[in-house]
Amino acid sequence: AQSVAQPEDQVNVAEGNPLTVKCTYSVSGNPYLFWYVQYPNRGLQFLLKYITGDNLVKGSYGFEAEFNKSQTSFHLKKPSALVSDSALYFCAVRDSYGNKLVFGAGTILRVKS
Amino acid sequence: DGGITQSPKYLFRKEGQNVTLSCEQNLNHDAMYWYRQDPGQGLRLIYYSQIVNDFQKGDIAEGYSVSREKKESFPLTVTSAQKNPTAFYLCASSRTGGSSEAFFGQGTRLTVV
Repeated sequence: AQSVAQPEDQVNVAEGNPLTVKCTYSVSGNPYLFWYVQYPNRGLQFLLKYITGDNLVKGSYGFEAEFNKSQTSFHLKKPSALVSDSALYFCAVRDSYGNKLVFGAGTILRVKS
Repeated sequence: DGGITQSPKYLFRKEGQNVTLSCEQNLNHDAMYWYRQDPGQGLRLIYYSQIVNDFQKGDIAEGYSVSREKKESFPLTVTSAQKNPTAFYLCASSRTGGSSEAFFGQGTRLTVV
């Protein structure tokens, strides 16, 4: 069964600094990996996904993620954080055989001015 | 205006009552999902459906039931057997296939009174 780990409950970063939100996964076969963002009392918004090919994936709002197969990781990154990036971020994985989408516990990102 | 609509936004349930949460999508997606969100626990999968008239249990199906009589609709019933139903419930849909991202509704917050 697939699983996702987000090892940090919270990440704090100063505005203008680069940010990284970590994600590791476990899945049979080739993984499909996703990042979502959630603002308070709202649904999740899709940011980006990895399917195959280039290990650096670019997504919405200047976010990108780096896929590392040997480390089974898919870390979310942004070169310069904004206060408005403060939110709850979820990593998710789906295997290539089924349609079950599994999420991590989430990481709170706080960007301070 | 395409998307996923969850209703109601807030729902209050008395002890021992069954309640049904509505989820409708007009994205022509075959797959639909129900997740439960509790603080610090991320999103846990309750049920999912890949096609009309078929659905599978997720990780925490006990105390819940679903139906999928129409492609557009995937209602979730929280039964009296669910001992701790207070949570934020999220519905999502996607195309079938591992690489397809899921689109989320705005959620229903259920509170037991």
